[in-house]
Amino acid sequence: GIQVEQSPPDLILQEGANSTLRCNFSDSVNNLQWFHQNPWGQLINLFYIPSGTKQNGRLSATTVATERYSLLYISSSQTTDSGVYFCAVGRGSGYALNFGKGTSLLVTP
Amino acid sequence: DAGVIQSPRHEVTEMGQEVTLRCKPISGHNSLFWYRQTMMRGLELLIYFNNNVPIDDSGMPEDRFSAKMPNASFSTLKIQPSEPRDSAVYFCASILAGLNEQFFGPGTRLTVL
Repeated sequence: GIQVEQSPPDLILQEGANSTLRCNFSDSVNNLQWFHQNPWGQLINLFYIPSGTKQNGRLSATTVATERYSLLYISSSQTTDSGVYFCAVGRGSGYALNFGKGTSLLVTP
Repeated sequence: DAGVIQSPRHEVTEMGQEVTLRCKPISGHNSLFWYRQTMMRGLELLIYFNNNVPIDDSGMPEDRFSAKMPNASFSTLKIQPSEPRDSAVYFCASILAGLNEQFFGPGTRLTVL
C-alpha cells in the first residue's frame, strides 16, 4: 500500500502559537484527507485536499501532489486544538485510506 | 444528515464471547469501510464494500472476523470467538459514489477481558 509519513510525531505549543504539520506519501493519490481525532476519539474531517490549497478559519492545508506532500497549518492555536492529527491518502473513490501515524498536538494555556 | 451511525459505542466482553458491531452509513452512500485503531498498528483497513459487495477483505485478521452488508443502509462486523488482542476502536466510514471523501462514524471501543 501507499506509505504515509507524518512529522513531527509530537508537538507542544503555547496557546496563540502557529504550527505546520507535514505529510509525505509514497505514490500518486486521488484522495488526501486531514482528520483531527479529539480527546473523545472521534475522527473529525478537516480537509479533503488531493491538490491545491484550502482554508477553514484558523486552519489551512496545501497539497503539492507532484512532490507527494501535504501541509496542515494551524494559526493562533487554542487548547481545543489539542488531539491527534492524521493524514490519510487513497487512490480514489472505492479505495481504502492509508493513514499516517499522526501528529499528537498539545496546546497549553 | 445524521452522519455515520455506529453501535454500540462501548462494548466490554469476556474472552470467547461473540461480539457484533453495527454500522449505518450516510444515506445514499454506496461504499462502506471498516477500520480498526490500536496503539501498536494505528488505523488500518479491515474490509470494504461497494454497493453491498465485499471488495477487499485482506485486512481481516483471521477467520474469527466476519463482515456483512445485507443492504445499503446496514453493515455488521462480527468477532467469534473474541480474544483480548481484539481490543481496539472499530470505525466505520462511508463514501458517496463518484466522490472520494470518506466520513467516519464515532467508533466502537471494544474491550475483551
